[in-house]
This record gives sequence, C-alpha cells and structure tokens, in this order.
Amino acid sequence: DAGVIQSPRHEVTEMGQEVTLRCKPISGHDYLFWYRQTMMRGLELLIYFNNNVPIDDSGMPEDRFSAKMPNASFSTLKIQPSEPRDSAVYFCASSSAGGNQPQHFGDGTRLSIL
Amino acid sequence: QKEVEQDPGPLSVPEGAIVSLNCTYSNSAFQYFMWYRQYSRKGPELLMYTYSSGNKEDGRFTAQVDKSSKYISLFIRDSQPSDSATYLCAMPSGGSNYKLTFGKGTLLTVNP
Repeated sequence: DAGVIQSPRHEVTEMGQEVTLRCKPISGHDYLFWYRQTMMRGLELLIYFNNNVPIDDSGMPEDRFSAKMPNASFSTLKIQPSEPRDSAVYFCASSSAGGNQPQHFGDGTRLSIL
Repeated sequence: QKEVEQDPGPLSVPEGAIVSLNCTYSNSAFQYFMWYRQYSRKGPELLMYTYSSGNKEDGRFTAQVDKSSKYISLFIRDSQPSDSATYLCAMPSGGSNYKLTFGKGTLLTVNP
C-alpha cells in the first residue's frame, strides 16, 4: 500500500522565493498534519486538518506560512517569502479518526533557503 | 519548563545490550504516551503506545509509564544493529488527541 507521499524530497531556493510543499495522504485517512523538524526545536506540529478543514493552525510560525487542503487526497504548505530560518525538514502525516490511531508520516521535504 | 523533555544522547551500545530511553513531562493531564522510531532520512513511525501507568510489552520492546513521577521509558532487550535510529516520545496535548507534542528524540546506535 502506498504511504504518505511528499514532494519534492529536496528543495534549495534563495531567500525571498515562494516555496510550495506537497502532500498526498493515505487514502481513507480523515486527518492530515504538517510538521517541521529542526535540530534546535525538534518535531513541531504546524497545522492539522480534519476532512479537509483546518482545525488547529496555532503552530504556524508566521503569516508567511499557509496551508491548504483542497480535497481529501492533496495538501500544500506554502512559504512566501521564504527566509533562511525556514530551513528544516517538513513532514506530512495522516491518520484515521480515533485518538489512538497512529500518525503515518511521509519521508519529508528537506528545505534549504540560501 | 518544556512540556516534554528527552535526553538527545547520542547513545551507543554493543549488540545484545539492554537499552533504556526516557522522557519526562510536565503536564499531568497527559493521558497516553507514544514512542516513535525514526530512521535516518525517513519519517517517524509509531512503535508503541500506552494509556496508563505500568508496563506494556511488545516483543523486545517494553514501554513503561510512571504518572506519579511524570516519567516514561522505553526498554529494548537484546538490541540489534537494526534498532539504530532516533527514538521520540510523544503525547497528545492542547486538549486534542490529535495534537502531538514530541520530545526532541534520542539517537541510538547499536554496534555489531
């Protein structure tokens, strides 16, 4: 079975450019999560969706970050304009309903802002 | 004080050793606890979860929770080189079972 698919796997871009990260969750999962992982701060939840609706975006660091989920099989995380401190690995995860259901993670997008 | 604290290591052990990984937490409202394993350049994957104080065993892995001390542990028996990974504890927080707070992770290397 296909897991969570993220693209691109790596992204290198210059400061000020717009960055779009993409995620395809596991089919049938109701919840989708975006995380950011850095050495300094660890793995942090940015935002999560239930049935395509954003539920909690309190982890989104600034207005430069935005996330959308236009349908059940696709989500984007956008950074505009990007800054060097946004460099991190960004993970998407999905899960079924039920609080003890595991979150299934993609392999992440490694983002470097020069 | 951070909600979840985890010693980042790194921890290096010989094959066959018993490994102990630990986290402390500050919020007594946390109801259940998870351990995720993350291989290099991969996403985390759920290893174990437990709801209550006490032990839960799954093969070579045992998760232990001490709510009175706000302390959780993951023990790995007969460790193998394939266990080399980063181990992250996680707990639902913010009043939602879906909103996980992760420890920073402990990097474990098991040497053959």
